[in-house]
Amino acid sequence: KNEVEQSPQNLTAQEGEFITINCSYSVGISALHWLQQHPGGGIVSLFMLSSGKKKHGRLIATINIQEKHSSLHITASHPRDSAVYICAGIIDALQGGSEKLVFGKGMKLTVNP
Amino acid sequence: EAGVVQSPRYKIIEKKQPVAFWCNPISGHNTLYWYRQNLGQGPELLIRYENEEAVDDSQLPKDRFSAERLKGVDSTLKIQPAELGDSAVYLCASSSSEGANVLTFGAGSRLTVL
Repeated sequence: KNEVEQSPQNLTAQEGEFITINCSYSVGISALHWLQQHPGGGIVSLFMLSSGKKKHGRLIATINIQEKHSSLHITASHPRDSAVYICAGIIDALQGGSEKLVFGKGMKLTVNP
Repeated sequence: EAGVVQSPRYKIIEKKQPVAFWCNPISGHNTLYWYRQNLGQGPELLIRYENEEAVDDSQLPKDRFSAERLKGVDSTLKIQPAELGDSAVYLCASSSSEGANVLTFGAGSRLTVL
């Protein structure tokens, strides 16, 4: 079982819809990244959060560390939001080591005009 | 400031041939990662460097893959010989000394092995 699970794996929406992407994890993490990858493009970090909620434009990310769950919401979705959205948990470093990222498999979002 | 720079962006080779990828991280980023991403999957860590030291290479197939980060800056990832299953996007990322909190990915190098 993957340590970081995302749902759904694929989602097709109509322009303007409110979209929620979920991420749950089975390992202890200190924080979590939400990443965006456009087709053929590089990966961009959207948010890094360890508690509560963060907002940037039409994107809102929430996390509940105790419940081991995070969500990424997109309001008023647009075709340019079509991309793969990946969550990655940050596992704290062991003594003398460095932090480690554990990735979900990603969710492919398609927003139709 | 330039982001994480990778080259080549695309590479097509025949199986059993060698291939090398290069990564220039963001200036001052101590930690450098190489990931492999297969189609429809999330990135999988191959190797992580802290400065010039490889601190996690447990997922690197050492029979054919090698990596180095001389002087703790640029890094190269080599595959020799390449196999059909190595076709993937090879991503380089770097982060600041605070750990993975400031994380930047390169555009990736797409490898196709024929």
